[in-house]
Amino acid sequence: QVQLVESGGAVVKSGGSLRLSCTASGFSFSDYYMSWIRQAPGKGLEWVSYIGGSGSIIYHADSVKGRFTISRDNAKNSLYLQMNSLRAEDTAVYYCARGVETIPHWGQGTLVTVSS
Amino acid sequence: QSALTQPASVSGSPGQSITISCTGATTDVGAYDYVSWYQQRPGKAPKLMIYDVSIRPSGVSNRFSGSKSGNTASLTISGLQAEDEADYYCSSYTSTNTLLFGGGTKLTVL
Repeated sequence: QVQLVESGGAVVKSGGSLRLSCTASGFSFSDYYMSWIRQAPGKGLEWVSYIGGSGSIIYHADSVKGRFTISRDNAKNSLYLQMNSLRAEDTAVYYCARGVETIPHWGQGTLVTVSS
Repeated sequence: QSALTQPASVSGSPGQSITISCTGATTDVGAYDYVSWYQQRPGKAPKLMIYDVSIRPSGVSNRFSGSKSGNTASLTISGLQAEDEADYYCSSYTSTNTLLFGGGTKLTVL
């Protein structure tokens, strides 16, 4: 069965950096677009970024453009999100997800807390 | 881009039907049949309930249905059950190759 397991969430100071990872299993990873979606405490879902199967197609939300970078390593069945210049408003649970316009599979999420 | 517009809350009694609306623009909901609906229970990851406006994934109850008219999509839940109480989010692909979510709707089963 499809499994997505995120890791890397932590408490980090404002202006700091963090790298999230997502390990996928149960499907042919390189065949699928992958997304990062976040949810601030008590708030709604916000799309962050997605990447095509080969890694050549990448889009980021305006709110993170220039600060966050999505990437993938198909040999390791892994998805990454490099987050730089973190701000308090980046505090959220970050979900790894398979797909873009339709997301049938989500990870359990990893919490990123940005402290001032 | 602003989030898609959903009512903050809806409620209904067991057995009743409710509808949650999701209003966007000609550049997202109105442009593509790529509207999805997700159910999220507290502390859990979202669960896909409807995709491509009206298609139910395998395993999702046929009490859930989706539709779209112009720039507004809708999720209807018929025969409300206590287990349907959750937050519901719509999403749409956009003309700028991004994904937009709605602000979410809290469903209360009275």
